[in-house]
Amino acid sequence: EAGVAQSPRYKIIEKRQSVAFWCNPISGHATLYWYQQILGQGPKLLIQFQNNGVVDDSQLPKDRFSAERLKGVDSTLKIQPAKLEDSAVYLCASSPSSPYEQYFGPGTRLTVT
Amino acid sequence: AQSVTQLGSHVSVSEGALVLLRCNYSSSVPPYLFWYVQYPNQGLQLLLKYTTGATLVKGINGFEAEFKKSETSFHLTKPSAHMSDAAEYFCAVSDRGGGFKTIFGAGTRLFVKA
Repeated sequence: EAGVAQSPRYKIIEKRQSVAFWCNPISGHATLYWYQQILGQGPKLLIQFQNNGVVDDSQLPKDRFSAERLKGVDSTLKIQPAKLEDSAVYLCASSPSSPYEQYFGPGTRLTVT
Repeated sequence: AQSVTQLGSHVSVSEGALVLLRCNYSSSVPPYLFWYVQYPNQGLQLLLKYTTGATLVKGINGFEAEFKKSETSFHLTKPSAHMSDAAEYFCAVSDRGGGFKTIFGAGTRLFVKA
């Protein structure tokens, strides 16, 4: 079984630029999560999708972050414009259904200079 | 509101020694509890989980954890550490009161000395 795929693995941008991350979950998993993991901290949930509907986006900075899940499968997370404090690893995870265990992708390490 | 506290951001043990990583949680209702491991430059991988039933849970790589409701704890143990256990470990909680949103602890980095 293929795992959760993410791209790119690494990205370096300047502040005020925009960036997008892509995630392909495990086939058949209804729930998809995006997390932000700042160095030295645990993952923080940004947004949770159930199929293509948003379940929780209470911690998503909506003035600069946006996310979509097309046709209930792939998902894209965008930051526009980026700030220095957005430097972090962005993790995508999926699960058959909440609250079961989550399967994580390798993450995208974003550096904002 | 849910919260997770992992005591000790760094733990160092000798190879062959007992591993004990501490996790305490707060939850208004019986929670689901998880331990994940993260190796460098990788995503998180599930070690074990508690949902209902037996409070002693066995996971992969020889790890186990015990749910103690009276102590609101879910400590992770392994009888004998191996060099390959060196990684970051995260405790997580999910409950109905929080809409099943998963909250992660800050993590504990385990060092294993030869």
